[in-house]
Amino acid sequence: AQSVTQLDSQVPVFEEAPVELRCNYSSSVSVYLFWYVQYPNQGLQLLLKYLSGSTLVKGINGFEAEFNKSQTSFHLRKPSVHISDTAEYFCAVRGYNNDYKLSFGAGTTVTVRA
Amino acid sequence: EPEVTQTPSHQVTQMGQEVILRCVPISNHLYFYWYRQILGQKVEFLVSFYNNEISEKSEIFDDQFSVERPDGSNFTLKIRSTKLEDSAMYFCASRIIGAYEQYFGPGTRLTVT
Repeated sequence: AQSVTQLDSQVPVFEEAPVELRCNYSSSVSVYLFWYVQYPNQGLQLLLKYLSGSTLVKGINGFEAEFNKSQTSFHLRKPSVHISDTAEYFCAVRGYNNDYKLSFGAGTTVTVRA
Repeated sequence: EPEVTQTPSHQVTQMGQEVILRCVPISNHLYFYWYRQILGQKVEFLVSFYNNEISEKSEIFDDQFSVERPDGSNFTLKIRSTKLEDSAMYFCASRIIGAYEQYFGPGTRLTVT
């Protein structure tokens, strides 16, 4: 079984400032990792995923994340945020086995202020 | 761009009533899922469905829940006799064969009174 911890429930940030959202996971097997974003009144949209290979993955809207196996982390970053990045962000994990379900973190609400 | 759709967006029902939540997955996707998010809590897996049968279900998915693909496009979640604690946002997701990512619908907010 897998579990995900998102260390920050709320992150306020000023426009054009950088942001980092922290995600740690635990698993007895190797994992695939995902970040989803939920804009107000919308569904979950995939931002990026880590499957294998390069530990730095780039996603949509200028986001990137780095997989760190030794620290079991998958932190999400953006160097310069916009007002439109205001949303809730979810880290999710899936095991390498045939366990196709996603396990989600509790979410981090990012509020971007002018 | 194709997307998962869900209806209704908001459903209010009385305790003990049956509800059916509807989803239309992306057309060439063959794996389907239901998740739920109780207010203030994590998104939780309920059930996965492939080839017209349940492939995995969580302990939440008890006998009060059922899923069905009644035709070639819809995927439904039925709650037979709703309880107050079933109040949540219910998300449908689908996945194409060979891919790892799931695509989510906008959710149905179920309120049981």
